[in-house]
Amino acid sequence: DTAVSQTPKYLVTQMGNDKSIKCEQNLGHDTMYWYKQDSKKFLKIMFSYNNKELIINETVPNRFSPKSPDKAHLNLHINSLELGDSAVYFCASSGIGTSGTQYFGPGTRLLVL
Amino acid sequence: LAKTTQPISMDSYEGQEVNITCSHNNIATNDYITWYQQFPSQGPRFIIQGYKTKVTNEVASLFIPADRKSSTLSLPRVSLSDTAVYYCLVVPPSGTYKYIFGTGTRLKVLA
Repeated sequence: DTAVSQTPKYLVTQMGNDKSIKCEQNLGHDTMYWYKQDSKKFLKIMFSYNNKELIINETVPNRFSPKSPDKAHLNLHINSLELGDSAVYFCASSGIGTSGTQYFGPGTRLLVL
Repeated sequence: LAKTTQPISMDSYEGQEVNITCSHNNIATNDYITWYQQFPSQGPRFIIQGYKTKVTNEVASLFIPADRKSSTLSLPRVSLSDTAVYYCLVVPPSGTYKYIFGTGTRLKVLA
């Protein structure tokens, strides 16, 4: 029973391509997040959705576009991939009554060549 | 959200108790103190959360002094598998949680 799952686990692609990462949570949470962890291991929030509505949108290039078809899913689409986009992307979710505890997925390792 | 400061790295030996201290001088009255653990190639995992005094669970203990400007995560009798990065965060009790992860503390447990 994976609480927060992401696909794919690994993604290797060429510069300029467009790619998507999918996230699903089966915890019944209302809020989902995308984080980016770079090569120096800094973990930074990118986006957050609550009940399919965008509520946190950090300073992220427009090439990154999150989409939430329902509250259990939050996908991340990246256009025109650049070398600097290489990182590990984590999805997370949190719910009412969890005192803010976020549950993270296993991560998607993106390598742009 | 309050900024936190914690040691960059620590080494310990198996079987020892490890204490990692975090300072959060600007913590707000209603903020909770939360610790996460991240193993290599995995996402962060919630360990423990507290508001004041002491909290204990099956994994760790969290000590919070009265002024709440710091906290100490205590890991009893660590093993090699406790080698990980430990993050301290302060978060509000409700609303959407814009977590700000600092550098964390890289704990290395030696045999």
